Amino acid sequence: EIVLTQSPGTLSLSPGERATLSCRASQSVSNNLAWYQQKPGQAPRLLIYGASSRATGTPARFSCSGSGTDFTLTISRLEPEDFAVYYCQHYGRSHATFGQGTQVDIK
Amino acid sequence: QVQLQESGPGLVKPSQTLSLTCTVSGGSITSGDYYWTWIRQQPGKGLEWIGYIYYSGSTYYNPSLTSRVTMSLDKSKNQFSLSLSSVTAADTAVYYCSRSPVCGPDCYTKWFDPWGQGTLVTVSS
Repeated sequence: EIVLTQSPGTLSLSPGERATLSCRASQSVSNNLAWYQQKPGQAPRLLIYGASSRATGTPARFSCSGSGTDFTLTISRLEPEDFAVYYCQHYGRSHATFGQGTQVDIK
Repeated sequence: QVQLQESGPGLVKPSQTLSLTCTVSGGSITSGDYYWTWIRQQPGKGLEWIGYIYYSGSTYYNPSLTSRVTMSLDKSKNQFSLSLSSVTAADTAVYYCSRSPVCGPDCYTKWFDPWGQGTLVTVSS
């Protein structure tokens, strides 16, 4: 099973600041990585797939880079609605697993 | 725009079988383009992929749950279902249904989009 480790666990930032979230895989996942946003009481929402492709409706301030084992989700300027938990997920040649999440809090 | 909605009992006794249904609207589960998927989120924990069923009836389950999981389709109602047997308190979770684009050989699943709103199932006597 591929283990995804997200860091940091919590990120405390102010609106307008840049957020950088990390996802590291225990072995290469190529570019088979997705990112989700989850707000309290809601289901996760797909943001990014294929490591860098934005899903329909994902604002351009969300971008992702990386390949292999190390990936970064960047939110260029945090909007109030961006404060949430973010999960990475790998897919492909083995069953899907998720990272444990990074919570982006308002500072 | 496809929407998914989970339904089923919110409380299940230990050792019994958890049964949930996902109703799909705005799209057909007989589309060959998607795997119909279940995912759960235990309280305060992360997300766990349970498995999927394809329109043909073929299934693939998470190896950690495969001995207890069964998924089925009801094409007439555009629904798919999850059964999880011999439940314990560890199976208490919010259960989500979703869909994943079909992928080729040597590929088990892709990303999940959209998701249902989720339903909390508590295992307790």
